[in-house]
Amino acid sequence: QITLKESGPTLVKPTQTLTLTCTFSGFSLTTSGVGVGWIRQPPGKVLDFLAVIYWDDDKRHSPSLKSRLTITKDTSKNQVVLTMTNMDPVDTATYYCAHMTLHSDARTFDYWGQGTLVTVSS
Amino acid sequence: QAVLTQPASLSASPGASASLTCTLRSGINAGSHWIHWFQQKPGSPPQYLLRHKSDLDKHQGSGVPSRFSGFKDVSANAGILLISGLQSEDEADYYCMIWHTSGFAVFGGGTKLTVV
Repeated sequence: QITLKESGPTLVKPTQTLTLTCTFSGFSLTTSGVGVGWIRQPPGKVLDFLAVIYWDDDKRHSPSLKSRLTITKDTSKNQVVLTMTNMDPVDTATYYCAHMTLHSDARTFDYWGQGTLVTVSS
Repeated sequence: QAVLTQPASLSASPGASASLTCTLRSGINAGSHWIHWFQQKPGSPPQYLLRHKSDLDKHQGSGVPSRFSGFKDVSANAGILLISGLQSEDEADYYCMIWHTSGFAVFGGGTKLTVV
């Protein structure tokens, strides 16, 4: 079955760079039509799309955060890494990675990790 | 104006039906978009429920009961998640999502469904 797990620091200081890793199993990011995305959710707030990377290495980012985000994949390790620069307390959130399936013109986040809470504080 | 607007809360009785709306911003045609729906319970990640584009183009998430269904209200430029035969376990936050033509996803503000 498909599983995803996020890992990384639970606490970062303002201006630091956050690096999160999504380690997955049950699928390969070399398979056509597959992607992995990152979505975050500040405490008590709504879901916020960050970035997605596809099997063919195409990448899409949130327009408002694009300058701060980098998403990469390591298919040999079944991992996707997200880096976010210049962290601020407003970036405090639970960060989720999710498996994405592309069917025709539909892209669906159909499996999600449990999420990891990242707090930004000095 | 937000891209996707959802009512903040909705209450319904057990056994009744609940219609959760997701209104697309003017200029974004609901009829041409897949609208995805997710359920999120406290302390848990979102769970994919279904996606709907038309009566012929729809997909139910794995293991999602058929009492969850998707519709479009073209006149209102909205997607609708209909939950029939409400159960106490349906109490949760529900989010809609679309993909922008530029390739990034947009989520609605979520609706907190209370079953009382």
